[in-house]
Amino acid sequence: NAGVTQTPKFQVLKTGQSMTLQCAQDMNHNSMYWYRQDPGMGLRLIYYSASEGTTDKGEVPNGYNVSRLNKREFSLRLESAAPSQTSVYFCASSARWRVSYEQYFGPGTRLTVT
Amino acid sequence: GNSVTQMEGPVTLSEEAFLTINCTYTATGYPSLFWYVQYPGEGLQLLLKATKADDKGSNKGFEATYRKETTSFHLEKGSVQVSDSAVYFCALIPQGGSEKLVFGKGTKLTVNP
Repeated sequence: NAGVTQTPKFQVLKTGQSMTLQCAQDMNHNSMYWYRQDPGMGLRLIYYSASEGTTDKGEVPNGYNVSRLNKREFSLRLESAAPSQTSVYFCASSARWRVSYEQYFGPGTRLTVT
Repeated sequence: GNSVTQMEGPVTLSEEAFLTINCTYTATGYPSLFWYVQYPGEGLQLLLKATKADDKGSNKGFEATYRKETTSFHLEKGSVQVSDSAVYFCALIPQGGSEKLVFGKGTKLTVNP
């Protein structure tokens, strides 16, 4: 049981380049999330998806787009990367039917934009 | 709005010392409360949780009690180990079904042998 997987683990981009971060979960969860983690800031929600076909903005959505491809996969796209997007990105999922909505996290993607 | 405030780190302790990491929250009603742990180079893992007032969450020797009167959820462990070195995040999900976790900024713990 892999849980939540993310690819790639590391990426270096130049300003203006684009890329897509991939996330997949095998726990049959309805909800999926993208966070970024910056020093001293904790985790901030970028986008989330409550179910296949739906997405919603979080706290810091500017500069990002997402796609909920199917129940398992939720991708995050940077169309034109900026140095301010240098961060560690985490994908998470949760089973919406659980009262406590416990979230399970992937191992993260460390992105550097030069 | 909803927010979580946790004690600033870093915290450095010797092995077998007592640990407390303070966490207070602002939210209406009765949010669900969580502690997540992040070991070096890894993603976050749920450490413990409490979903109603006076509940005590516990796991791996860590405990936290949901105190509605003080809006707190302090993390404690009686005797820390080197392997407990990690970053600890307090978080909440607001009452009412919102699925969006609200995180504190994290507290880095280092335990020395």
